[in-house]
Amino acid sequence: DAKTTQPNSMESNEEEPVHLPCNHSTISGTDYIHWYRQLPSQGPEYVIHGLTSNVNNRMASLAIAEDRKSSTLILHRATLRDAAVYYCILRDVTKDMRFGAGTRLTVKP
Amino acid sequence: GAVVSQHPSRVICKSGTSVKIECRSLDFQATTMFWYRQFPKQSLMLMATSNEGSKATYEQGVEKDKFLINHASLTLSTLTVTSAHPEDSSFYICSAQTRNNSPLHFGNGTRLTVT
Repeated sequence: DAKTTQPNSMESNEEEPVHLPCNHSTISGTDYIHWYRQLPSQGPEYVIHGLTSNVNNRMASLAIAEDRKSSTLILHRATLRDAAVYYCILRDVTKDMRFGAGTRLTVKP
Repeated sequence: GAVVSQHPSRVICKSGTSVKIECRSLDFQATTMFWYRQFPKQSLMLMATSNEGSKATYEQGVEKDKFLINHASLTLSTLTVTSAHPEDSSFYICSAQTRNNSPLHFGNGTRLTVT
């Protein structure tokens, strides 16, 4: 399975944008880039996913590099409720979802 | 949005007993359900994948006779931890999807403590 590399932790200030990076240099052409987040003592929550083009939804934006070897999850205005572990996952259509270590985001008031 | 209900949220059992965890998709039909286990301060580890009406596919190192998975309908999958031991204490999480490559919808997890 293609692997992803994320920083272990990041900090942000409330109401400021947050850019969470993810490197995936061995991504294959059929891998979608998924982002999930997990708040303490809860199951993960879907955030966004994409294949080649940048994607926006009500929660976040996903910027995908032209060569697809990296991507960035963008939270436009961080709130305290955005403090969570964010997982960047590559997933082929036919395969299951495997989680890496993720990035623990701390949001400071 | 799609909701996955997992029950119970917490369970404490004695060593040697069995525990059943239910995972239901409330407003959609789940062709595939996944079961994960998460130890403190670690990431989720995939245990098994189950498709409705067929046997589950277990990850290497996961004992299928110990972790029994039943996916009898498109809205319900169950995980039974048989003859539980303290080392089985963990956070168990299920997820479901409607079709290949659709986002996964996760339950809120079951915290199992075996005494």
